Amino acid sequence: EIVMTQSPATLSVSPGERATLSCRASQSVSSNLAWYQQKPGQAPRLLIYGASTRATGIPARFSGSGSGTEFTLTISSLQSEDFAVYYCQQYNNWPLFGQGTKLEIK
Amino acid sequence: QVQLQESGPGLVKPSETLSLTCTVSGGSISSYYWSWIRQPPGKGLEWIGYIYYSGSTNYNPSLKSRVTISVDTSKNQFSLKLSSVTAADTAVYYCARGRLYFSAYYYYYMDVWGKGTTVTVSS
Repeated sequence: EIVMTQSPATLSVSPGERATLSCRASQSVSSNLAWYQQKPGQAPRLLIYGASTRATGIPARFSGSGSGTEFTLTISSLQSEDFAVYYCQQYNNWPLFGQGTKLEIK
Repeated sequence: QVQLQESGPGLVKPSETLSLTCTVSGGSISSYYWSWIRQPPGKGLEWIGYIYYSGSTNYNPSLKSRVTISVDTSKNQFSLKLSSVTAADTAVYYCARGRLYFSAYYYYYMDVWGKGTTVTVSS
């Protein structure tokens, strides 16, 4: 069974700066990776699928990269509304989420 | 645009069956894979299972023995039943629309989510 590991668990970044979140798979998942954002009390929102394709309506400051076992979500210039928890998700017979990275204000 | 709304009891007794329904509005239930996902308090997301509009299903192996997902295309609804619940099943339950496609590998992601409904298992 593939294991998804996100790092760091918590990331502290100042508004306007760049944030880089990582997701690692225990074995290759090709580009089969999605990223979601979840704010407190809200449902997750799809940001990225296919490792690098932005979902409809997602701002260009969000970008995804990687393939195989190493993936990155980059937020180029953090806005106040970007502070949230981010989850990666792969599909290998069934969907599996990483444990999440909390992006907090520094 | 497509909206999803979960409904069902907010309190279920231990050993009983949790039953939830997701109503799809603003679009057809056809041609998508409809998922249930849950999130225990303060924890991460766990996928429970999905159903294709035709009725084929796929379940999380860790829950498979207790889960049944069904679809009613005439009502644009799909439903979750989770049997023999315990306190560990207390969570926010989300329904979501999923897209499954094949390009060398199978890809699946969930692009529309309901707001979620809290289910507490307690006597």
